[in-house]
Amino acid sequence: AQSVTQLGSHVSVSEGALVLLRCNYSSSVPPYLFWYVQYPNQGLQLLLKYTSAATLVKGINGFEAEFKKSETSFHLTKPSAHMSDAAEYFCAVTPSGFQKLVFGTGTRLLVSP
Amino acid sequence: NAGVTQTPKFQVLKTGQSMTLQCAQDMNHEYMSWYRQDPGMGLRLIHYSVGAGITDQGEVPNGYNVSRSTTEDFPLRLLSAAPSQTSVYFCASSYLGETQYFGPGTRLLVL
Repeated sequence: AQSVTQLGSHVSVSEGALVLLRCNYSSSVPPYLFWYVQYPNQGLQLLLKYTSAATLVKGINGFEAEFKKSETSFHLTKPSAHMSDAAEYFCAVTPSGFQKLVFGTGTRLLVSP
Repeated sequence: NAGVTQTPKFQVLKTGQSMTLQCAQDMNHEYMSWYRQDPGMGLRLIHYSVGAGITDQGEVPNGYNVSRSTTEDFPLRLLSAAPSQTSVYFCASSYLGETQYFGPGTRLLVL
């Protein structure tokens, strides 16, 4: 069965600092991996996705993630945090296609001035 | 396009009451699904459908029923609400093999 683990339920950064949100996956087959963002009282919005093409994936709002098979990781990064990045971020996996997503428990990103 | 719409936005039920959470999409997506979001647990799949007339169970289907009579609509029914069903419910849709789009959610409180 596929699963993802997100380390750290809360991450705090200063505005302008590097953002690093961690996600490790478990999958018996090559996975499809996703990062979604949820702003307060809203639904989920896709940030980026890995579908076995390039291992470095660029998403919206300056975020990117790198698929590392040897480390079973798909960490999300952004070079410089902005106040508007404050939200909850979810990593998700699916064994094939884009359906039946299995989500991690989420990481809340707090950005201070 | 309105995208994925959900009604109501917020609902309070008493234990044992029934209700239907509505989900509609105007993108002609074949795939629709329901998730529930609970603190510290992320989102978990309740039921999904790959087309009209076809539904299947996800990870946490107990206490919920679904049907898919049209491509556009995928209602979620709670036959006898329990406090454990207090949650935020999200509907999502997509073309088969494509990225899912999520609705704004329904916040449900069962007393």
